[in-house]
Amino acid sequence: KQEVTQIPAALSVPEGENLVLNCSFTDSAIYNLQWFRQDPGKGLTSLLLIQSSQREQTSGRLNASLDKSSGRSTLYIAASQPGDSATYLCAPETGANNLFFGTGTRLTVIP
Amino acid sequence: DTAVSQTPKYLVTQMGNDKSIKCEQNLGHDTMYWYKQDSKKFLKIMFSYNNKELIINETVPNRFSPKSPDKAHLNLHINSLELGDSAVYFCASSQENVWSSGELFFGEGSRLTVL
Repeated sequence: KQEVTQIPAALSVPEGENLVLNCSFTDSAIYNLQWFRQDPGKGLTSLLLIQSSQREQTSGRLNASLDKSSGRSTLYIAASQPGDSATYLCAPETGANNLFFGTGTRLTVIP
Repeated sequence: DTAVSQTPKYLVTQMGNDKSIKCEQNLGHDTMYWYKQDSKKFLKIMFSYNNKELIINETVPNRFSPKSPDKAHLNLHINSLELGDSAVYFCASSQENVWSSGELFFGEGSRLTVL
């Protein structure tokens, strides 16, 4: 059974800093991995989807990498802004429409 | 236009009641899901459904049943509600491709409180 761990559980940084969020998963036989953000009281918004054959994906200030063999993914956020404050979740997909979510990293960017 | 919409957003009810949460997506996706997020913010899939098959997470009690009147709707019915059913329920949809389920789009959630 897939287990997903995200470290740190919470992170507080001053505006403008670059930061890295970590995700590790136990079953490396994944089809893809998605990163989501969740704002308080809101649904999840997909940020990036990395196929299993890819090493990284970029969207604006976000860059996600995937090392499938070691069961790791990182989300890099450049030049953080207060609007980036949210909980970030990673979710590897192991097939049959089956995404497993970590419990997330709660990010606070201080103006 | 909201891509995935759920109603109601909040639902407070007594133990033992039966309730439904509705979900609609206007993205033309072929697969819809229900997820449960517990008090520790842990998200777990309950069901996925497309026009071919319903996949049920084996840990979901049979008091929970998805009903899909058409491709754009997947409603969640819950019978004999229990205190432990209190959670936020998220609907999602995606368009499958040959590699995977595709990018998921989530609704804003329905917070169920059972008293």
